[in-house]
Amino acid sequence: GPKVLQIPSHQIIDMGQMVTLNCDPVSNHLYFYWYKQILGQQMEFLVNFYNGKVMEKSKLFKDQFSVERPDGSYFTLKIQPTALEDSAVYFCASSRTDEQYFGPGTRLTVL
Amino acid sequence: GDSVTQTEGLVTLTEGLPVMLNCTYQSTYSPFLFWYVQHLNEAPKLLLKSFTDNKRPEHQGFHATLHKSSSSFHLQKSSAQLSDSALYYCALSALNTGKLIFGLGTTLQVQP
Repeated sequence: GPKVLQIPSHQIIDMGQMVTLNCDPVSNHLYFYWYKQILGQQMEFLVNFYNGKVMEKSKLFKDQFSVERPDGSYFTLKIQPTALEDSAVYFCASSRTDEQYFGPGTRLTVL
Repeated sequence: GDSVTQTEGLVTLTEGLPVMLNCTYQSTYSPFLFWYVQHLNEAPKLLLKSFTDNKRPEHQGFHATLHKSSSSFHLQKSSAQLSDSALYYCALSALNTGKLIFGLGTTLQVQP
């Protein structure tokens, strides 16, 4: 079936640095999402994106977070600067309708 | 606000026995309900979703029935297989906003 890819699978960075998480969505999908999952907790919605714009964001989507899809390629989540509490697995998803296809996640560790 | 509850963190059973994983929800609206399955080191994949016409969705031997009266969407299978061992998430989508609200997930371990 359709696959969503996420690069990298793991990222370790020092607190205060910038990080960009990359998502390669399904090619004909129009809606894109990021979710955050802290170890032992449920996956939580961060933001969704359509037609070049953020449609909705949760309270977890701090001012240090930003998303974009430059030139219709990767859908990215940038965190600048990072904080210890940003350590989590970040899942990207894409959809055409209500069926979201997820990537395998990027495990981010902030030291 | 909207929420999804999965009461069992871990369900362990023997191959061939029936499976039932619980999911209840709270929502102001009439949401769509979903079950996602995640095998180790893989992406969560859609297993089932509820229909607007109350048909019972089925996939890979699993089925679930949306009961609006009890706000439930329990996942069932008549006979568990070893390959069913995975993490199962129940989720809802309300107001057609697209965002999914997930439960904590239930790990299903099927033993020989």
